[in-house]
Amino acid sequence: DAKTTQPNSMESNEEEPVHLPCNHSTISGTDYIHWYRQLPSQGPEYVIHGLTSNVNNRMASLAIAEDRKSSTLILHRATLRDAAVYYCILRASDNYGQNFVFGPGTRLSVLP
Amino acid sequence: GAVVSQHPSWVICKSGTSVKIECRSLDFQATTMFWYRQFPKQSLMLMATSNEGSKATYEQGVEKDKFLINHASLTLSTLTVTSAHPEDSSFYICSATPPARYGYTFGSGTRLTVV
Repeated sequence: DAKTTQPNSMESNEEEPVHLPCNHSTISGTDYIHWYRQLPSQGPEYVIHGLTSNVNNRMASLAIAEDRKSSTLILHRATLRDAAVYYCILRASDNYGQNFVFGPGTRLSVLP
Repeated sequence: GAVVSQHPSWVICKSGTSVKIECRSLDFQATTMFWYRQFPKQSLMLMATSNEGSKATYEQGVEKDKFLINHASLTLSTLTVTSAHPEDSSFYICSATPPARYGYTFGSGTRLTVV
């Protein structure tokens, strides 16, 4: 699976939007972009995933660049409970059943 | 749906003893489960892939005799840390893939402290 690059840490104020970037310049055409987050002392939880088009769900939005070499996870209104490590992971569609490879992720701090 | 339950959530054991961690898929069958280890301030590192009805596949550097994995049914995988030492203290996490999904569901993790 191709590699992703994320900032080590970011800060946000409560109730403001947060844009978490991810670079994946070596992404292949069949790679899905997955975002997971890990709250302190918990296992990772699914946030969102997409292939080419922007995606929205109740947790977040995923904006995917037209050339797919980067993407941005958008939390529309950060809350204190959104403080976590956010992981951007690529997974080829035909790698179903294989493990995820976690990078260091972005540690998001939310300030009250 | 698609819940993975991990038990216990934390355990303290004495050096030299063994500890078993269970990972259950509650509402789906999982032929494959993954075990990760996470040290403080670090990312998750895959330890092994657990395959139902066959031997687990271990990542390089992970001692198969120390970390025993059993995947005896389609809903249960266990990780046993044998002869635990303080350096085995870590956060252990399992995951499985629900059918017809591209993502993974993770357990809530087990904090192991060896004293």
